[in-house]
Amino acid sequence: AQKITQTQPGMFVQEKEAVTLDCTYDTSDPSYGLFWYKQPSSGEMIFLIYQGSYDQQNATEGRYSLNFQKARKSANLVISASQLGDSAMYFCAMREGTDFGNEKLTFGTGTRLTIIP
Amino acid sequence: DTGVSQDPRHKITKRGQNVTFRCDPISEHNRLYWYRQTLGQGPEFLTYFQNEAQLEKSRLLSDRFSAERPKGSFSTLEIQRTEQGDSAMYLCASSLTAGGRYTQYFGPGTRLTVL
Repeated sequence: AQKITQTQPGMFVQEKEAVTLDCTYDTSDPSYGLFWYKQPSSGEMIFLIYQGSYDQQNATEGRYSLNFQKARKSANLVISASQLGDSAMYFCAMREGTDFGNEKLTFGTGTRLTIIP
Repeated sequence: DTGVSQDPRHKITKRGQNVTFRCDPISEHNRLYWYRQTLGQGPEFLTYFQNEAQLEKSRLLSDRFSAERPKGSFSTLEIQRTEQGDSAMYLCASSLTAGGRYTQYFGPGTRLTVL
C-alpha cells in the first residue's frame, strides 16, 4: 500500500484564490511527522511546512497552512492568496517514528500546481 | 548561512562509465541524505549518514552505488558502470538532530543522463 497518496496530478487555480492540495498517509506508528515541499522547475526541493503527529494545532507558515485530520489520516496543504510564483510541483512526505534509524522521508507522487493570471 | 550545494548540476555520461557526485551540507548539520528522483515521481531514499557513519541504505542502492562522508562534512555518491536506468535527479539533503523535527533541507540536485 502507498504510504503517501496525492490524488491530484495537476491543478489550475486563478491568481489570488486559495488552493488546497490533498495528501493522505498510511502508517501504524503513533509518532510521525508530515512535511510539504515545493519543487520549482529548477529542481530544488523547498521545505514549506511541518506537522507532528502529536501537535495539537494545525501548522501555519505565512500563506501556508496544514489541515491535519488525524483520524482521516489526511494532511492537506492550504495556500492562501495564491501567486504566480506558487506554480510548481508540491510533494507531501512522511517521516515515521522517532527511533534512531527511522530517518528517511517517504514522498508522494506530487501535484503540479499552475497559477493562472 | 549557505544552503546545501551539489556539484555538478548536470552530468551526461555514456553507459558503462563511472560518475561521482558531491554534496556539501549546511555547515552545522550532522545528518546527510541521498535521494533519487525519476521523472514524474517523488524522491526515493537511498542512504543517510550521521556524521561520517553511514547508518541506513535502501535496497535501491545496488552494489554499483557507493556513498561516503569521510570527515563528516561533504559527501560523495559514486555510481560505477552506469546503466540507462540510472538516469535520474540525485538529491542531497541535510538536517540537524535537534528539536524533534529533523527537517531535511535539500540541495538543487544533480541531473544524470546516461546515454
